[in-house]
Amino acid sequence: DTAVSQTPKYLVTQMGNDKSIKCEQNLGHDTMYWYKQDSKKFLKIMFSYNNKELIINETVPNRFSPKSPDKAHLNLHINSLELGDSAVYFCASSQGLGASGYTFGSGTRLTVV
Amino acid sequence: AQTVTQSQPEMSVQEAETVTLSCTYDTSESDYYLFWYKQPPSRQMILVIRQEAYKQQNATENRFSVNFQKAAKSFSLKISDSQLGDAAMYFCALPLKNAGGTSYGKLTFGQGTILTVHP
Repeated sequence: DTAVSQTPKYLVTQMGNDKSIKCEQNLGHDTMYWYKQDSKKFLKIMFSYNNKELIINETVPNRFSPKSPDKAHLNLHINSLELGDSAVYFCASSQGLGASGYTFGSGTRLTVV
Repeated sequence: AQTVTQSQPEMSVQEAETVTLSCTYDTSESDYYLFWYKQPPSRQMILVIRQEAYKQQNATENRFSVNFQKAAKSFSLKISDSQLGDAAMYFCALPLKNAGGTSYGKLTFGQGTILTVHP
């Protein structure tokens, strides 16, 4: 039983397209996140939702829009994809303050050509 | 500003030997948590160990232990009896509370250390 699942695992698309990445967690956690890992493996937070409310919105182009229909789901929609958007995107979840740690999905490798 | 620094881009160890990965950090918080995550070639981020800053006792999880020096803001990971399956990229991470104080939410990661295990 996958705790945090992301789909798709791989996404190859052309510049200018719009794409979505879906994330679901079955841990009963109340907070979900999107992290971006660049080509140098550096991880940085993009967004965080707590009980469907946006609580963290880092400096991310407004082409990126997260949506949380319920506590168990957090999707990421990207408009007008650019070459620089190529990266691995991780969904994660935690409970409360996150003191017990964060559970990550397996990542979505996005390649923009 | 909160920062996490891993000064060892790469480390290597012989199977069954012990290796220590370094991490230093900076935070203005007095109560916080620290994590080590492992990222094998499969890309999955796996929580290895966590430390609560208010606890003086170093955390231990089987072959993994930490040396937590709060005053020095140092949080190193020791892997004993290294196994081939330990080969991965290791990230030190420090969570920061969000403005509302409802979540630590924002994990600040170090640059990562690639660990190679030689048979």
